Amino acid sequence: DAGVIQSPRHEVTEMGQEVTLRCKPISGHNSLFWYRQTMMRGLELLIYFNNNVPIDDSGMPEDRFSAKMPNASFSTLKIQPSEPRDSAVYFCASSLGVAATGELFFGEGSRLTVL
Amino acid sequence: AQSVTQPDIHITVSEGASLELRCNYSYGATPYLFWYVQSPGQGLQLLLKYFSGDTLVQGIKGFEAEFKRSQSSFNLRKPSVHWSDAAEYFCAVSFTGGGNKLTFGTGTQLKVEL
Repeated sequence: DAGVIQSPRHEVTEMGQEVTLRCKPISGHNSLFWYRQTMMRGLELLIYFNNNVPIDDSGMPEDRFSAKMPNASFSTLKIQPSEPRDSAVYFCASSLGVAATGELFFGEGSRLTVL
Repeated sequence: AQSVTQPDIHITVSEGASLELRCNYSYGATPYLFWYVQSPGQGLQLLLKYFSGDTLVQGIKGFEAEFKRSQSSFNLRKPSVHWSDAAEYFCAVSFTGGGNKLTFGTGTQLKVEL
């Protein structure tokens, strides 16, 4: 079975440009999470969806960040405009159910560098 | 709010030696506790989890962890480390009613000397 698929794996862009990160969760999973990983702050939950509905976006840093999940098989995380401090690895993860099973399945991440 | 502390940022052990990675949590009720492993350039993979019952849980790759309520700890152990265990290890916590929202510790980087 395919795992969580993220694209692009690497993105280098200039400050002010729009960045869109994409995620395809595991088929049948109904919860989707976006995490950001940096050396300074570790793993931070940005937002999570359940049945395509955003449940908690309290981790989204500011209005420049937005996330959507138009259907069960696709989600995007957009940064507009991007800034150098947004440089990080962004992970998408999915899971089955809303019980706190904790078994998140992570993609390989999208490494973003903003110059 | 719940929090997770991993006091060791880096640990180096010799191959074949035993390993213990520390994790402490802060939460009023019994949390759900997890250990994840991240290999370089990869996403995180679940090693093991504790919900209730037996406080010693077994995971994949020969790892185990013990929940100690009195110490608010959930330390990860392995009797004999292999060079392939070199990775970063994250402890995480969630709670009833929190969905699958996990709070991760800052991670412990494990280096294995041959």
